[in-house]
Amino acid sequence: DIQMTQSPSSLSASVGDRVTITCRASQSISSYLNWYQQKPGKAPELFIYAASSLQSGVPSGFSGSGSGTDFTLTISSLQPEDFATYYCQQSYSIPYTFGQGTKLEI
Amino acid sequence: QLQLQESGPGLVKPLETLSLTCSVSGGSIISSGYYWDWIRQPPGKGLQWIGTIYHDGSIYYNPSLKSRVIISVDTSRNQFSLKMNSVTAADTAVYSCARRERYYNWFDPWGQGTLVSVSS
Repeated sequence: DIQMTQSPSSLSASVGDRVTITCRASQSISSYLNWYQQKPGKAPELFIYAASSLQSGVPSGFSGSGSGTDFTLTISSLQPEDFATYYCQQSYSIPYTFGQGTKLEI
Repeated sequence: QLQLQESGPGLVKPLETLSLTCSVSGGSIISSGYYWDWIRQPPGKGLQWIGTIYHDGSIYYNPSLKSRVIISVDTSRNQFSLKMNSVTAADTAVYSCARRERYYNWFDPWGQGTLVSVSS
């Protein structure tokens, strides 16, 4: 299985901050990397697919980059609604695997 | 707008079989280009992919669960299902169904998820 490692596991930030979350794969996954946002009690929502493509309806302040083994999710200016847990997911090979999550807290 | 909804018992006894159904509305389960997947999340933990099915019956499972899991599809009802046998407390989780795009394999949308507890 491809292991996905996110860092940090948790992050405290303020409204207006720029934050970056990283995700590292245990082997090259090209651009087969997706990011999800999950709020408490809710299902995850797709935010970024194919490493850098913004899902429809996602604010433009979100961006993704990377290829191979190293990826980043960047939020340019944190808004109150952005405080949530973010997961990366490799979609290169079965079994699809997720990072352990990054909890973004105020 | 495509919506997915899980249904099934919220409590299953140890060593019995967990059975869940995902009902798809607002679109057809035989749409080309999409697979239909099950994913679970134990309380306070991360996400684990369980398996996937295409409308033609093609199925893939997570090897770690393969011996206990069966996924099936009912195209006439626009539903797909999950069965997991010999469950233990470690199988307690929120189980979600999701649509998966078949080329880049992202999950969207997801069902709201249903908590299944394994307890006597």
